[in-house]
This record gives sequence, structure tokens and C-alpha cells, in this order.
Amino acid sequence: QKEVEQDPGPLSVPEGAIVSLNCTYSNSAFQYFMWYRQYSRKGPELLMYTYSSGNKEDGRFTAQVDKSSKYISLFIRDSQPSDSATYLCAMSALTGGGADGLTFGKGTHLIIQP
Amino acid sequence: DTGVSQNPRHKITKRGQNVTFRCDPISEHNRLYWYRQTLGQGPEFLTYFQNEAQLEKSRLLSDRFSAERPKGSFSTLEIQRTEQGDSAMYLCASSFPGGPSDEQFFGPGTRLTVL
Repeated sequence: QKEVEQDPGPLSVPEGAIVSLNCTYSNSAFQYFMWYRQYSRKGPELLMYTYSSGNKEDGRFTAQVDKSSKYISLFIRDSQPSDSATYLCAMSALTGGGADGLTFGKGTHLIIQP
Repeated sequence: DTGVSQNPRHKITKRGQNVTFRCDPISEHNRLYWYRQTLGQGPEFLTYFQNEAQLEKSRLLSDRFSAERPKGSFSTLEIQRTEQGDSAMYLCASSFPGGPSDEQFFGPGTRLTVL
């Protein structure tokens, strides 16, 4: 079993829909949780960074962390075709990854249909 | 452009050849990471530098791989005697702990194809 599980998709939704992306993890030491967006043939770009359990909102994006269930989510409201990309969850035990780097999920390929 | 840069962007080589990639981090960032990403997978951590010191290496980093960061600025990743299984995107990231955030900023990656 991998430390971080993420459904690779593809996930296809119509423009304007609410998108829900999820990851589960097994390492209870993880305290820092991130969502990155990666366009084809580009490097990952940070969207959300949260510490421990709770919710964080930034514009159309909301990140949720439930440490008791080892489950994190990213919600995208009013989805746009430009949101079409691969979304990677990442996590670490130390702030910023520390010496161990970040542990990523496989990424979910999201397609927003115009 | 003040982001992380990587060169070359693409590299095609024959099995058995040596290749070297370069990463230039954001100038004030003292932490530098290398990751490898294969098709359909997320990035996997390879190694970590704090300034010029290589402090951590993943078990993924076989003896054929070596990384350096002389003077704590740019970094190089060399793969000796390349194998077809080395074909992947090699990503570099940098960060500055204690700054506005501990975010790792990623470069565009170097895509390696081993024939």
C-alpha cells in the first residue's frame, strides 16, 4: 500500500460544476498538506497549503483536512475550462517538507468541459 | 524571470550514456530538492540540499545517480550509464524556510528519454 492514495481519474465535469478531489494517506506523522496543480509538461504549482486538521479557503478553492480519517479534499467552485489540469496532493511530517521532501499522490487528471 | 530554472528542458540519450541536468533555484532559497516523476505518477523525492550540504538521499537514488550543489547555489544531477528505466521528468524545487511560506517552488523539469 502506497503512503498516499489518489484516484488518477480522469474526472470530467461540465463548466460551472463543483469539483471534489480527494486523497487518503496512511502515515499519521503527516501534518502539512498541500495541493499542487500541474499542467501538461510543466512543473507543479502550489494551490493550497494547510497545517493539521481544518478548512482553508482561497477564492474558488477550499482545502479540507481530516486527520482522524487520514483524508484530505480539495473543492473547486465554479469550475472553468482553465482549471483542466492534473491535481496532486502532497504531504509531509515537517514544515515545507524538511529533509524528507514531500510525499505526493499520483495526481487526478481533471477535465472541465466548456 | 525569478523562478526556478532547469536545463536542458529535454534530453534524449542512448542507453549507457551519462547525462547531467542543471537546476538554478530562486536566489535566496537555501533548500533545494530533486524529484523524479514518471508518466501517470506523482513526483518522488530523490535528494535534498541545505545550502551546499546534501542532507538526505532517497533509496531511489542508486549509485549511478549523483547530485551536487557547489557553493550552495545551482545544483547538478548526473546519471551515469543510463538505463531505459531512467526515462522520466526530473524536477527541481527550492524553498526558504522561515520566509512568507515554506512553499516548495518547482521548476519546469527536464524530460529525459533513454533509447
